[in-house]
Amino acid sequence: EPEVTQTPSHQVTQMGQEVILRCVPISNHLYFYWYRQILGQKVEFLVSFYNNEISEKSEIFDDQFSVERPDGSNFTLKIRSTKLEDSAMYFCASSRTARNQPQHFGDGTRLSIL
Amino acid sequence: GESVGLHLPTLSVQEGDNSIINCAYSNSASDYFIWYKQESGKGPQFIIDIRSNMDKRQGQRVTVLLNKTVKHLSLQIAATQPGDSAVYFCAENILFAGGTSYGKLTFGQGTILTVHP
Repeated sequence: EPEVTQTPSHQVTQMGQEVILRCVPISNHLYFYWYRQILGQKVEFLVSFYNNEISEKSEIFDDQFSVERPDGSNFTLKIRSTKLEDSAMYFCASSRTARNQPQHFGDGTRLSIL
Repeated sequence: GESVGLHLPTLSVQEGDNSIINCAYSNSASDYFIWYKQESGKGPQFIIDIRSNMDKRQGQRVTVLLNKTVKHLSLQIAATQPGDSAVYFCAENILFAGGTSYGKLTFGQGTILTVHP
């Protein structure tokens, strides 16, 4: 069964450094998403992406965040200058359509900011 | 049901029992709902979904019930097994006023299910 894959599984970064989290969505999916989950809390939406542009973003997704689909298979989340409060699990998801289709999630990247 | 903060609701059952996990959603404009299972160290795993024009949907060992009047969603797991132990989240997709959606899911707080052999 096709799945969403994310790399790395764990990223440790110094505060203020840039970090790029990578995702390979399911190949025939057209909608891509990033979510985050702070330890012990619920999953929070960050951004949705379709047709090479951001469709919707949350208040969390400020100017320090950006997303890109650099080629036909990868989908990346960049945090330009990391803060301690960016420490969380970051999940990538994809779906065939934006409505009435389940989003399938990767196993996440644990981001630890020191 | 769902709770606010770090203390997740918990449900503890014996293997073979039926489990019912509840979720209250907030937005009457939500038109699509999903249940996810999350095991330790893994991402949310799709279990079952339901559209707002339905009130019940069945899968293999799982049933989702939707009550739009009281904005309540439940997940029933039949013959619960130790492998069902996980955190279960409901998620809703809210439509904008024009009937569009960009797919944003809003997740509930989660319920910890523990199945004892």
